[in-house]
Amino acid sequence: NAGVTQTPKFRILKIGQSMTLQCAQDMNHNYMYWYRQDPGMGLKLIYYSVGAGITDKGEVPNGYNVSRSTTEDFPLRLELAAPSQTSVYFCASSSGLAGSISSYNEQFFGPGTRLTVL
Amino acid sequence: DQQVKQNSPSLSVQEGRISILNCDYTNSMFDYFLWYKKYPAEGPTFLISISSIKDKNEDGRFTVFLNKSAKHLSLHIVPSQPGDSAVYFCAASDDNFNKFYFGSGTKLNVKP
Repeated sequence: NAGVTQTPKFRILKIGQSMTLQCAQDMNHNYMYWYRQDPGMGLKLIYYSVGAGITDKGEVPNGYNVSRSTTEDFPLRLELAAPSQTSVYFCASSSGLAGSISSYNEQFFGPGTRLTVL
Repeated sequence: DQQVKQNSPSLSVQEGRISILNCDYTNSMFDYFLWYKKYPAEGPTFLISISSIKDKNEDGRFTVFLNKSAKHLSLHIVPSQPGDSAVYFCAASDDNFNKFYFGSGTKLNVKP
C-alpha cells in the first residue's frame, strides 16, 4: 500500500513554462485535494475533487487547473508559471466519510513537490 | 482572511512536561477539527480529531479540547517526548468535508 504518491519531488521552472504535478492514491478514496504551503504559512486549498469527473475550486485556484478522470489520479496543471507559484505542493486524499469517533475524515498526504519558479 | 489561526509560531518544552498548542477559528459552521503533525520534507500526518458535539477527545498521550463558545481548541501532549518535535497544524471543516482550512502551524521543540 503506497498511500499517496507525488511526482516530481523537486522542480525548477522558468517564468511562463507549464507543468503537471502528478498525484496518485491507492486507497480507493473518493476525495482528493491539492494544497500549497508557502514559507511560514499554513496549507491553502487549491482544488478538490469528491469523485471521478467532479472537481471544484478551493481558496487559491488562480493559475491552476485540475482534472479527475479516475479515482486514483488527480493531476494539477500549472499554466504560465509565475514566481508567486513558488511553493511546496501537497496532494491529499480522504474517504469523505465521517469515519470513526476518533478519526473524522482524516486526510492522507503525499510527501510534497517543491516547486521553484525563476 | 484566515479562518483558522495558530498565534504561537513556536513552543519549547522540556521532555516529560506538558505541551499545549492552541488554535482559534472564526467560522461557526465548522463541525470537525483535526490536528496534524509534520516533519521536515514530509507531508502532514493525522494525529487526532474532534467533532463539535464533543468537548474532549483523548488518544494516548494526546488530548484535544474544544471550547465552542470561545471558538478555541487546544492540543495537549503529556508527557512530551523529543520525538514529538515537529510542526503541528490544526485544521477545520464543515460536515461536507469538502474544504479544510489550516492554521499556519506551531513548531514544537521538546528538549531532552
